[in-house]
Order: sequence, then C-alpha cells, then structure tokens
Amino acid sequence: DTAVSQTPKYLVTQMGNDKSIKCEQNLGHDTMYWYKQDSKKFLKIMFSYNNKELIINETVPNRFSPKSPDKAHLNLHINSLELGDSAVYFCASSPLGGGLSGELFFGEGSRLTVL
Amino acid sequence: GDSVTQMEGPVTLSEEAFLTINCTYTATGYPSLFWYVQYPGEGLQLLLKATKADDKGSNKGFEATYRKETTSFHLEKGSVQVSDSAVYFCALSTISGAGSYQLTFGKGTKLSVIP
Repeated sequence: DTAVSQTPKYLVTQMGNDKSIKCEQNLGHDTMYWYKQDSKKFLKIMFSYNNKELIINETVPNRFSPKSPDKAHLNLHINSLELGDSAVYFCASSPLGGGLSGELFFGEGSRLTVL
Repeated sequence: GDSVTQMEGPVTLSEEAFLTINCTYTATGYPSLFWYVQYPGEGLQLLLKATKADDKGSNKGFEATYRKETTSFHLEKGSVQVSDSAVYFCALSTISGAGSYQLTFGKGTKLSVIP
C-alpha cells in the first residue's frame, strides 16, 4: 500500500485553465504539506495543514487554494494556470510536530506542465 | 531567516570513490538537521538526521555529524555505488510564524556514480 499517494502523476494543460491535484495518506498522520519543486530541483513549502487546519501558508498566489476535507486528504486547486506554475508538486505528511523529528513522508510527486 | 546552503552539483564519481557533499546552515536557536535523498522519478526519503550538536546520523553507509561550531552537516560515504545516484537535500527544522515546525531545504546536489 502506498503511504502517501498523489493523483495525477502527470498533468499537461493550457494557460488559464483550472486544475486540481489530490493527495491521500494512510499513515494516520496529523500534518500534511504541499511543496513545490522547480526545474532546478529547489524545494519550497507552500502549505501545511494540521488536523484539517491551515498552519503554514507561505507567500503563494491566491490562485492556489488547498483544501483538507479530513486529516487524511489534502488537495491543491490551482486557478488560472500560468507558465510559471510548471513544476513538480509534492505532497507530504508527518506525525504532529513532524518538522522537529524530521520524518516527513513524501508522495511521488505530480508533474504539472502548463503550455 | 533560517537557511541551508549546499555545494553546487552535479557531482560525478566513479564507483567505490569517497563522497562528501558539503552543507552549512544559518539558524536561530538549535535546529535539527537532516539529509533527504530523491531517487530518479521518486519522492524524497529521509536518509539520516541529527537533533543536537555532535550527534552523528548514519544510514546505508552514509554519515553526517552535526557541527555547531562550524554550523555544518556534511554528508559522507566511504565507497559509493551506482545505486547511490540521486539528488541529495540537506534540510533543517525551523519554527514557522504560526508556531509549528517546518523543514527548510537546501537546493539539492545531484550525484551520478559511474561504473
């Protein structure tokens, strides 16, 4: 069983479209994250949710809206896609306070290409 | 703010060569330090960690020692294998503005090991 699963794995779309990426974890963790990895492999945190509550919201355009229907799911919706949104988006989860223990569990990533 | 600086890649080594990937950090307080590895087409996996000064993290033949005096956490392996080819990320845990912890990553170092 995959611990942190994301769908879709690949997404190719046109500028201006709206798209969603879904994430589910079956580890029973309390905290979930979205990270963005650019073409140079640089990883930057976007959002963090703790038990469905938004904890971290870095400087991310309002076009990005995370939604956590329950603590096992954290979806990412992106409106009005732009070329610069092309990246690999990683979902991750951790037990409460996972940043201190360091044990983040990552999904395999969703590669978004905006044409 | 808190940050992590890693040596620029890519690094290309022959099998059985000695590996060092340098990592230094800037942080307030006493962060925990981590190395994550990303194999081609996969998400990130925790490789090793150290939570206080002089701790040594080790896993799969890799080692790193938390050096507070030099603010460093260099990754080493005595004899690399082709299967070690991956991107390696140094990271530290920091407290976000919301009071929760998050990981801050370095830019990653791509390692290629040739037979």
